[in-house]
Amino acid sequence: DGGITQSPKYLFRKEGQNVTLSCEQNLNHDAMYWYRQDPGQGLRLIYYSQIVNDFQKGDIAEGYSVSREKKESFPLTVTSAQKNPTAFYLCASRTNDRITGELFFGEGSRLTVL
Amino acid sequence: RKEVEQDPGPFNVPEGATVAFNCTYSNSASQSFFWYRQDCRKEPKLLMSVYSSGNEDGRFTAQLNRASQYISLLIRDSKLSDSATYLCVVTLDRAGTALIFGKGTTLSVSS
Repeated sequence: DGGITQSPKYLFRKEGQNVTLSCEQNLNHDAMYWYRQDPGQGLRLIYYSQIVNDFQKGDIAEGYSVSREKKESFPLTVTSAQKNPTAFYLCASRTNDRITGELFFGEGSRLTVL
Repeated sequence: RKEVEQDPGPFNVPEGATVAFNCTYSNSASQSFFWYRQDCRKEPKLLMSVYSSGNEDGRFTAQLNRASQYISLLIRDSKLSDSATYLCVVTLDRAGTALIFGKGTTLSVSS
């Protein structure tokens, strides 16, 4: 059945290492999003993509990079330039109606930097 | 001014109570509005969209006030299972590209 798959679910890394989080969807959605959530906080937008080979920065893009080579895939790399990378990362895709379309989320990836 | 603001709560109510949450947004060009529910350490899930004329889904009623730039969520006859964080979501621009979340309002329903 259709959905969004994020991997890994839990990830531990040493400070200074780059980390790539995977996000795959088989919903045939054009738009995909990455959000970050810190404890007790709401979701903050990192990057989003409306179409293949195109993406835009969100509110907190510094220290992150993305690619959108395929419609189904939108991986996020957390680089060593990100000062506080420990967080819950959520990937979402959206139905193609920009007015009524809802977001569908993956189960998230919890990154802990030691 | 923050783009989307919510009262963080927590709202602590007994079963059967009626509770209302408000959310204000700063961009008058915003076109789409949603309420999401998030359980502890889980991903958010759509509770309901918010339409201009207001809409109801069982015990839940959503309202939009464009003039004052806020949306509201009313929960009637609260259940223990309603305990969660409720997130207000607004599109950032008229084109409806990016969606911005409020920080969420925490509801705790007790018996």
